[in-house]
Amino acid sequence: AQSVAQPEDQVNVAEGNPLTVKCTYSVSGNPYLFWYVQYPNRGLQFLLKYITGDNLVKGSYGFEAEFNKSQTSFHLKKPSALVSDSALYFCAVPDSWGKLQFGAGTQVVVTP
Amino acid sequence: DAGVIQSPRHEVTEMGQEVTLRCKPISGHDYLFWYRQTMMRGLELLIYFNNNVPIDDSGMPEDRFSAKMPNASFSTLKIQPSEPRDSAVYFCASRLLPAGIADTGELFFGEGSRLTVL
Repeated sequence: AQSVAQPEDQVNVAEGNPLTVKCTYSVSGNPYLFWYVQYPNRGLQFLLKYITGDNLVKGSYGFEAEFNKSQTSFHLKKPSALVSDSALYFCAVPDSWGKLQFGAGTQVVVTP
Repeated sequence: DAGVIQSPRHEVTEMGQEVTLRCKPISGHDYLFWYRQTMMRGLELLIYFNNNVPIDDSGMPEDRFSAKMPNASFSTLKIQPSEPRDSAVYFCASRLLPAGIADTGELFFGEGSRLTVL
């Protein structure tokens, strides 16, 4: 079965510092991977996705994600975090029926 | 486009009452999903529709839950009777037909309906 894991419940980072949110995957076949963000009291928003091609995927709000096949990881990154990046981040993978399977989520807290 | 529209945004009700949550997907989208979010269980897919037809309702927790999509622009999720453990944020999401089975495409979520059952 296709699945993703987010090993950290929360990530704390100071504003201006690099931000990394970890995701590992377990899939059969070619992996298709997604990141979504949920700001407080809002719905989830699509950030970026990996289908094929370059291992570094660029997305919205200055975020990017690095696909690493050998480590089965798809970590989300931002070079310089903003306080406004404080949110809940979800990694996701589609199952064989095309339904997105979301990870448990990682709360990002960016302090001024 | 206005995006996915859900109503009500907040609902407080008493145990045993009927609750109806509503969703208007983005025009032209072929798929509609209902999710539930709680601290304990995270995001759970309850049911999804393709072209107004329910495809998979295996996530619906029990018979007290039902969902309908009478036309392409409207769906409801009903809980009858409601129980305190149903308290959660319920999200509706829609998307276009994906390019392929594994490329689900981008999901567009509504703002959610926060349900509190006392």
